Order: sequence, then structure tokens, then C-alpha cells
Amino acid sequence: GESVGLHLPTLSVQEGDNSIINCAYSNSASDYFIWYKQESGKGPQFIIDIRSNMDKRQGQRVTVLLNKTVKHLSLQIAATQPGDSAVYFCAESPHYGGATNKLIFGTGTLLAVQP
Amino acid sequence: GAVVSQHPSWVICKSGTSVKIECRSLDFQATTMFWYRQFPKQSLMLMATSNEGSKATYEQGVEKDKFLINHASLTLSTLTVTSAHPEDSSFYICSAPLQEGTDTQYFGPGTRLTVL
Repeated sequence: GESVGLHLPTLSVQEGDNSIINCAYSNSASDYFIWYKQESGKGPQFIIDIRSNMDKRQGQRVTVLLNKTVKHLSLQIAATQPGDSAVYFCAESPHYGGATNKLIFGTGTLLAVQP
Repeated sequence: GAVVSQHPSWVICKSGTSVKIECRSLDFQATTMFWYRQFPKQSLMLMATSNEGSKATYEQGVEKDKFLINHASLTLSTLTVTSAHPEDSSFYICSAPLQEGTDTQYFGPGTRLTVL
């Protein structure tokens, strides 16, 4: 059931600044990672993904960094805009290839962009 | 545009009734779909893996007799919450890979269930 008083970690940034959202994953066997953006009342939206054979991948205004040594993932958003305000989730998958594997989601971070 | 749809987008029901939620893949076939539940200000929790033509695989702690999953076609999976109670009120979301065997999952818009 619902946990009363639970609050998401929040990152507050000024419009135009760069944002860095961090995530620690749990399974050392995970070899695929995804970042999702979720706006209020909507389903998660794919942002960017990375395989474990890479340590960095860039998209449009976003960069994902992977540090397998410490099991850490980060999402960097350049020139943050008000439309970037949402909850961001990292997700890990413990297998690559073959049947589609389930995703394990992190706790999420609320990004609040101040105009 | 959206690649996965859900219906209804929201539903309110009385305690004890059953509610069916549909998840459809648009313009692609999905032999595997996933069902998640999300409580306010919390993360997505995987409930079960829906497999076309076979039984669903449930995560630990999820009652299979309460959350019935049917994946009768390559584009449709349904989740039925049986004998719903207020504690079942939540945001239910499904996902599917655009291509079988790939890991990237695309999510539906979610269904808000409120049980009175």
C-alpha cells in the first residue's frame, strides 16, 4: 500500500543550467540500463539507454554515464528547460539478448526547473 | 506518437467489484508485455510478465488469483483486478518491447484505478 510521508529526492535547478541526476543500481549482473522521464499522471517516456560495454552515451541534450565499478549511473541534461520538469527513473536489466527481460526501477528523482 | 495504449485511462469502482484494464501494442506485435503498479510518489513495481499464448509470470508477493492476466493476442494483454479493495487503488502501467528480444520497453499512458 501507499507509504505515508514518502518523498522523492528532489533536484532543483535554474532554467538554462545543466542537471545531473544520479542512480545507484543493485545488480552487478545488469548489463543494460535505461533512463525514463515520467510526467505527472502519465506513463514513463524513454530518454536514453546504455549497454554495459559502454561508459558514456550521448543523445540530444542528454548524456548517460555508467560506472560499473561502483554500480552508478547518471543522467546529464544540458541547458535544462521548464519542460524537463518531471520525475526521472533509472532502470536496469540483468540480461541482454534473447527474450525480453524485465526492468528493475530505481526510486526516482524529481527534477524541478525554476524559471 | 504512442506505441502502447491503455484503456481505460481512469476508472472508479466499488469495493468488491472486478475491473479489467487493457494494454495494446500499436502497429507492432508483442509476445511479451509487462504490468507495473505505481503508488503516489513511489517507483514502478513490476507485477507480472504477460506471455502471449501461455501463463503469466508473477513477481513474488503478487497474488495471481487477484490480478488475472490474459494475453490472448499479439497486440493485447489484459489485467483484471478481481474483488478490488481500496488498497488496490493505484496507477497501473503496462509496457512492451518494440521488437521481441530487445530490451527497450515502451510504456502505456497508465490507468488510474480508484476503489471506493
